[in-house]
Amino acid sequence: DGGITQSPKYLFRKEGQNVTLSCEQNLNHDAMYWYRQDPGQGLRLIYYSQIVNDFQKGDIAEGYSVSREKKESFPLTVTSAQKNPTAFYLCASRQGSGWYTEAFFGQGTRLTVV
Amino acid sequence: GQQLNQSPQSMFIQEGEDVSMNCTSSSIFNTWLWYKQDPGEGPVLLIALYKAGELTSNGRLTAQFGITRKDSFLNISASIPSDVGIYFCAGRDNAGNMLTFGGGTRLMVKP
Repeated sequence: DGGITQSPKYLFRKEGQNVTLSCEQNLNHDAMYWYRQDPGQGLRLIYYSQIVNDFQKGDIAEGYSVSREKKESFPLTVTSAQKNPTAFYLCASRQGSGWYTEAFFGQGTRLTVV
Repeated sequence: GQQLNQSPQSMFIQEGEDVSMNCTSSSIFNTWLWYKQDPGEGPVLLIALYKAGELTSNGRLTAQFGITRKDSFLNISASIPSDVGIYFCAGRDNAGNMLTFGGGTRLMVKP
């Protein structure tokens, strides 16, 4: 089946530690995105990538880092510099930037800092 | 940056009732999208709108792209319990790469 897989579903991290969230897609999509969702709020863009080996900061990139070494993978690292990392993280992918192509979302990773 | 105001924030309705929610923007969008999110899951695209004034249906759902390009609404007719969830609007501007999301409307349906 084609789709976007995020892992793990739930993640616990000790304060001060870096943690990496996985996002893999087999849709052959060019663009991939990472969003953060806090309770009762909409989605905010962290980083996005339109092609391999290239990525751009979104609205709330501070304390996060990404890489795009392969088309199908776009891992997100939440660093110790992120002051409030507990949130629901969503990865999405999209065929391109043209009309009539929209993003598909993964099932999310809930990160809790303990 | 751009902001989308989505209302109402929450709705608690009786099964069978119709539902209406809307989004307004401070700036123009070229695309309006409506997503539904079930608890603990990622959003799923319901309807995409690409032309000002466009009215599009998907089963019991109907959405419209406002003529000013600064607003959109979503209607759900004859609600059922599985309509429960959070509905998000999203807009995309001329640059075409990034979406701006509204804050969501939490829908609860009483059987």
